[in-house]
Amino acid sequence: DIQMTQSPSSLSASVGDRVTITCQASQDISNYLNWYQQKPGKAPKLLIYDASNLETGVPSRFSGRGSGTDFTFTISSLQPEDIATYYCQQYDNLPYTFGQGTKLEIK
Amino acid sequence: EVQLVESGGDLVQPGRSLRLSCAASGFTLDDYSMHWVRQAPGKGLEWVSGISWNSGSIGYADSVKGRFTISRDNAKNSLYLQMNSLRAEDTALYYCAKDTQWDLKHPPHAFDIWGQGTMVTVSS
Repeated sequence: DIQMTQSPSSLSASVGDRVTITCQASQDISNYLNWYQQKPGKAPKLLIYDASNLETGVPSRFSGRGSGTDFTFTISSLQPEDIATYYCQQYDNLPYTFGQGTKLEIK
Repeated sequence: EVQLVESGGDLVQPGRSLRLSCAASGFTLDDYSMHWVRQAPGKGLEWVSGISWNSGSIGYADSVKGRFTISRDNAKNSLYLQMNSLRAEDTALYYCAKDTQWDLKHPPHAFDIWGQGTMVTVSS
């Protein structure tokens, strides 16, 4: 199985900060990577697909990049409503594994 | 409105069985692959199983292989998960999720619609 390693596991930042989360795959997955946001008590929400494509309706402050084994997810200017846990997910091979998550908090 | 609604979660004893259902509305189920994803209390997301539009391709996580069976009834716009030989470590909130792709073996894939989840607790 492909292992997905996210870092950091938790992050505290101020409103307006630029926030970056990294995700590393245990093998080359091309651009077969998605990013999800999960707010407390809610289902996950798709934000970024195919490593860098913004899902319809998602604010442009969210972005993703990368290919191969190394990927980044960025919030350009953190807003209070962005408090959530973020997950990467690979779909190169079954099982479609998720990273362990990054919990984002407001400082 | 595009929606997925899971049901069937319950408190069950170890070794027993349970069947989860997921009812889709607002879209045609047979145009897409579908998945089950679970989340143990306080933990991250774990992909459990997926099924292609015509049930021709199916996959399972190693943790449930041989115990869980995914199926679908496109005529009823419904997805199912039959869970047998349940263990304490199967305790989780189970989500069904719609894929953007029709065939499990052809990329790309993204889970663009999720249900609200149904809770399964395995305990004596």
